[in-house]
Amino acid sequence: DTAVSQTPKYLVTQMGNDKSIKCEQNLGHDTMYWYKQDSKKFLKIMFSYNNKELIINETVPNRFSPKSPDKAHLNLHINSLELGDSAVYFCASSQSPPVAAFSTDTQYFGPGTRLTVL
Amino acid sequence: AQKITQTQPGMFVQEKEAVTLDCTYDTSDPSYGLFWYKQPSSGEMIFLIYQGSYDQQNATEGRYSLNFQKARKSANLVISASQLGDSAMYFCAMREGGVAGGYNKLIFGAGTRLAVHP
Repeated sequence: DTAVSQTPKYLVTQMGNDKSIKCEQNLGHDTMYWYKQDSKKFLKIMFSYNNKELIINETVPNRFSPKSPDKAHLNLHINSLELGDSAVYFCASSQSPPVAAFSTDTQYFGPGTRLTVL
Repeated sequence: AQKITQTQPGMFVQEKEAVTLDCTYDTSDPSYGLFWYKQPSSGEMIFLIYQGSYDQQNATEGRYSLNFQKARKSANLVISASQLGDSAMYFCAMREGGVAGGYNKLIFGAGTRLAVHP
């Protein structure tokens, strides 16, 4: 009955590899997000999709490519992994997109994926 | 300038006592939402409480309450009757209403680590 789920929970890989993280939400929400939490616990948004459409794209290297096959899923693919990509990646979802009319909307987070690049 | 400031990197509290975690924010937008999240050692991000800028009353959710002082731009989290399970990182976050047609990111503070002692 997990509302927002992510796989895998842990990912250890070598520099230069390509990897994907999957996210699914069963809340019926329209909007999904990817966040990165660095080693100092600082949490920052990377991307957001609303009904499969990209609506927020922060200054993230283009090695990171999100894909939303449907509004319940948002995957994150990372090419040519670098040491600095090591972090915890969180998926989140909200009922509505983060626009002014819905500034009250709460985002619900997945359990996180700890990525370690060696 | 920092949008969200949490000045307490770490806090200690005795079990069953109340504790206040500080959060100040910076915005010129009259419409905004303030959120608190809890991150236990297991890593997940758990939504605790929400306060809207136009809300007349302070938000409460069980043992959590938000001491909202709009003029001072502070939104402190008060946890009453602390429990050992409250030991975690606590993040304050804000989303501004913004302009029509724009998407408004959820911006997080650096977090406060709370330790509850028996």
